[in-house]
Amino acid sequence: GAGVSQSPSNKVTEKGKDVELRCDPISGHTALYWYRQRLGQGLEFLIYFQGNSAPDKSGLPSDRFSAERTGGSVSTLTIQRTQQEDSAVYLCASSLAVNGAGTFYEQYFGPGTRLTVT
Amino acid sequence: TQLLEQSPQFLSIQEGENLTVYCNSSSVFSSLQWYRQEPGEGPVLLVTVVTGGEVKKLKRLTFQFGDARKDSSLHITAAQPGDTGLYLCADTAIGQNFVFGPGTRLSVLP
Repeated sequence: GAGVSQSPSNKVTEKGKDVELRCDPISGHTALYWYRQRLGQGLEFLIYFQGNSAPDKSGLPSDRFSAERTGGSVSTLTIQRTQQEDSAVYLCASSLAVNGAGTFYEQYFGPGTRLTVT
Repeated sequence: TQLLEQSPQFLSIQEGENLTVYCNSSSVFSSLQWYRQEPGEGPVLLVTVVTGGEVKKLKRLTFQFGDARKDSSLHITAAQPGDTGLYLCADTAIGQNFVFGPGTRLSVLP
């Protein structure tokens, strides 16, 4: 079946503009995660959604960042008034659910959106 | 806040050599996952380890989980150019977001 898809694959924007990044998770996956990966570095957690529960926004770096997930499926990450330090690859992942006692789920990642702020 | 460290940060070896990379946590892992990320792609899960002292093998890759569940190693035998990538360890906390280490960037030269 289809994996996680993200669009656009590349985005170049001017400083101060708003951008929207889209993630289509695997059908039936209730958990969805957003990460940021700066050049040559590891993954930085941003936000996750689990079913109809309130999202965990603890990783969002500033109030310029927001995300929503409509209908428990597609998610959009919005960055307002972009800054040069926002340049990174933004990765989305989905899993069947969040981990529970004795049960651990694999995250399936999309290819990412490479954002460049000039 | 849990911190994961990985070493070495970079590793460049010749095809056929063996190598080991490490992951250490400031606190006990809930469970540990190893991922490999190739350039331009998202990470792909290699293995999940849960029990202290656990050893798992995946072809030429051997994963060990420390007895105290605070460290792990990944050993690759007879490395091939296809093993090139960023190796990430992650703690898969219950009901919470995943915490990833900074990764070890491996380059296997033909």
